[in-house]
Amino acid sequence: GEDVEQSLFLSVREGDSSVINCTYTDSSSTYLYWYKQEPGAGLQLLTYIFSNMDMKQDQRLTVLLNKKDKHLSLRIADTQTGDSAIYFCADLSGGGADGLTFGKGTHLIIQP
Amino acid sequence: DSGVTQTPKHLITATGQRVTLRCSPRSGDLSVYWYQQSLDQGLQFLIQYYNGEERAKGNILERFSAQQFPDLHSELNLSSLELGDSALYFCASSVAPDQPQHFGDGTRLSIL
Repeated sequence: GEDVEQSLFLSVREGDSSVINCTYTDSSSTYLYWYKQEPGAGLQLLTYIFSNMDMKQDQRLTVLLNKKDKHLSLRIADTQTGDSAIYFCADLSGGGADGLTFGKGTHLIIQP
Repeated sequence: DSGVTQTPKHLITATGQRVTLRCSPRSGDLSVYWYQQSLDQGLQFLIQYYNGEERAKGNILERFSAQQFPDLHSELNLSSLELGDSALYFCASSVAPDQPQHFGDGTRLSIL
């Protein structure tokens, strides 16, 4: 079946850029998403990219998609303590018929 | 605030019992999804409804059922509860099945 893989932890210094990586297996993915989950909270849709795009920028967030390698990344510029959370990569395929397939999530740890 | 409302926020019950989780989608959204988040399985898609009709099923147990009502709110019914059903249950909604999903804050279910 479909699979989405992410590394479990990323530690960065405050003010640096964070890059969270994700790989997926489903070549029919139409949209790829990044969600943020803070402790005890729900999932916040951060950004998403359509599969025919290479890049999308939204303020401090930059999403890069390499469809050939099935690799997605999320770059957070000027990382702040408020960015500390779990970041989930998710893909939507089959026209939405199968729901979202999520990675296990990357814990972003901010060092002062 | 995503606009998706889930009630209750917390639910504590015993094995063998039955519970109902409720979800109100964002205004204008016709699709509703249910997901389960647990430590061992991560985030898993359970079921999807579109405009009152079941559209897709994921890893939903036979003890679980759901429906979407004419006013588009949805309920997830969990019966014969087991300890392993303890999890965070999320509802999400979108305008259409292939559009970005917005998540509620979840219902935390604890089985004692």
